[in-house]
Amino acid sequence: GQNIDQPTEMTATEGAIVQINCTYQTSGFNGLFWYQQHAGEAPTFLSYNVLDGLEEKGRFSSFLSRSKGYSYLLLKELQMKDSASYLCAVLDSNYQLIWGAGTKLIIKP
Amino acid sequence: DGGITQSPKYLFRKEGQNVTLSCEQNLNHDAMYWYRQDPGQGLRLIYYSQIVNDFQKGDIAEGYSVSREKKESFPLTVTSAQKNPTAFYLCASSIEEYNEQFFGPGTRLTVL
Repeated sequence: GQNIDQPTEMTATEGAIVQINCTYQTSGFNGLFWYQQHAGEAPTFLSYNVLDGLEEKGRFSSFLSRSKGYSYLLLKELQMKDSASYLCAVLDSNYQLIWGAGTKLIIKP
Repeated sequence: DGGITQSPKYLFRKEGQNVTLSCEQNLNHDAMYWYRQDPGQGLRLIYYSQIVNDFQKGDIAEGYSVSREKKESFPLTVTSAQKNPTAFYLCASSIEEYNEQFFGPGTRLTVL
């Protein structure tokens, strides 16, 4: 079966750095997406990785290791508005997106 | 402004009634998707369409139906055959099937 694992919930302090991990086991791999979803709202696209390595975009970075079936999203200089769920999704060999359950990130002052 | 619209944001229906959720996009995207999101779970794919007049079942298509008569529109009907229809429904679109997806604001359906 296809599976994506993320921690259910994480807590971090405003101004700090947090790393949200995602491990996956899918039938094939055509890329990995990270989305942010505020409560009651739609997911919004954050990043896409298809090759190994780190992609940096402002305060957010995403890392991929295809051999390990592993990715992480790194958030720096945390702000209260970063409190949200972060969804990891993998594009499988049939170009279907397989979604993780999401990690709820709580930012404390 | 380009984007995806879903209406209404909140919808209440009695058990046994069919209900249609609308999804419209003006992004000129070929692919469109319907997802269901339940608390504590990832998004689950109901139906998707890669081109007008064609659509495929996703993982949880039972009790749902769709149509794709226009590129811009992909309505979802939740039928009385769907055993547990209360959920948050999200519509999305992408340029092609392997690109990032853009989501509408969602419709929260409650069946009483």
